Amino acid sequence: QQQVKQSPQSLIVQKGGISIINCAYENTAFDYFPWYQQFPGKGPALLIAIRPDVSEKKEGRFTISFNKSAKQFSLHIMDSQPGDSATYFCAASMASGTYKYIFGTGTRLKVLA
Amino acid sequence: GAVVSQHPSRVICKSGTSVKIECRSLDFQATTMFWYRQFPKQSLMLMATSNEGSKATYEQGVEKDKFLINHASLTLSTLTVTSAHPEDSSFYICSAEGQGLQYFGPGTRLTVT
Repeated sequence: QQQVKQSPQSLIVQKGGISIINCAYENTAFDYFPWYQQFPGKGPALLIAIRPDVSEKKEGRFTISFNKSAKQFSLHIMDSQPGDSATYFCAASMASGTYKYIFGTGTRLKVLA
Repeated sequence: GAVVSQHPSRVICKSGTSVKIECRSLDFQATTMFWYRQFPKQSLMLMATSNEGSKATYEQGVEKDKFLINHASLTLSTLTVTSAHPEDSSFYICSAEGQGLQYFGPGTRLTVT
């Protein structure tokens, strides 16, 4: 019940295309859903995050869509660029308590020039 | 703001020796810090939650006597890998909790020879 399932494992997109990464969770107590971007040999960097009281959040080219009833959320990267090539992790946590994150398995995105 | 540093960024040690990794929150105070381990092309695995002034909480399967965690101040947590073995070689990442969010350090690459 603590798992966060992430798909696809890897993704190849043409420059200018839309990259879509999906995550699903089971624990309805989760109330914070961040996405992290990680480049090789670096720590993860917070990209965008959402709470379940909204269905969509957009920041620049990055959009999170959240479906509370389906317990799913997704990251959309519009106008994907080669510089977006990285590994993306979704996560879920409960704002109360320890703020411990449960991470998805990661998606390796490659954007072709 | 919300910068987390780690030191060293890379370390090579001989089997049987101990190595200490520092995690610092540079511009905020962090009551809680987290230590993760990441194998190549895999997700982040939470090792332990470190609370300032108290004992760390270790995740199931993590040897607390091997991975010593000290959180002596609101800006510093240390992870000491004791009696290191080649299988301890990994990428170790810390994060610091600030206002309910986790901010990650750049990671430390440990190689045990």
